[in-house]
Amino acid sequence: NAGVTQTPKFQVLKTGQSMTLQCAQDMNHEYMSWYRQDPGMGLRLIHYSVGAGITDQGEVPNGYNVSRSTTEDFPLRLLSAAPSQTSVYFCASSPSDDEAFFGQGTRLTVV
Amino acid sequence: TQLLEQSPQFLSIQEGENLTVYCNSSSVFSSLQWYRQEPGEGPVLLVTVVTGGEVKKLKRLTFQFGDARKDSSLHITAAQPGDTGLYLCAGEENNDMRFGAGTRLTVKP
Repeated sequence: NAGVTQTPKFQVLKTGQSMTLQCAQDMNHEYMSWYRQDPGMGLRLIHYSVGAGITDQGEVPNGYNVSRSTTEDFPLRLLSAAPSQTSVYFCASSPSDDEAFFGQGTRLTVV
Repeated sequence: TQLLEQSPQFLSIQEGENLTVYCNSSSVFSSLQWYRQEPGEGPVLLVTVVTGGEVKKLKRLTFQFGDARKDSSLHITAAQPGDTGLYLCAGEENNDMRFGAGTRLTVKP
């Protein structure tokens, strides 16, 4: 029962570096999303996808790219990391557009 | 400004006390969810409320959805240290889910 798996769990980047946060789910959910969680801000939606080949922007999409080539995978790419992107990132999947199942998160620090 | 305002932001109580936390918005939601998040983990769904005025009970937790579907409350009876965590409410807007900032609850033994 893997559910939603995120890798890595921790990452430190230098300003300007790029990287990809991985997210995979084995529940055959169509809806997947990425959030960032910052103190006092709650979870803010970055990008989401309603199915393979379809992605859309959320509340805070700038500086991030996503793709959805398969139902299972929804990677999040940071193009040029900035200190403002220091955060905890959560991937979620849903059988519909509510009742999200979350991964354990990736704690990213940009120095 | 947050679409969903949660209060209080922090709450520290003794074991055995009762408490209520609130989730308020000016928007109407078709459904609203409550999640609990423990340190180092992702949020876990507790309940979904759909109908205005709906009340759902989950052991010592009682969830209520406002008649106008703009607000919700979570009441915990006889809180236990295991209830400690961040309680988040979330509602759907324009095909994506928006979260409140959460209430961080600490229950002391």
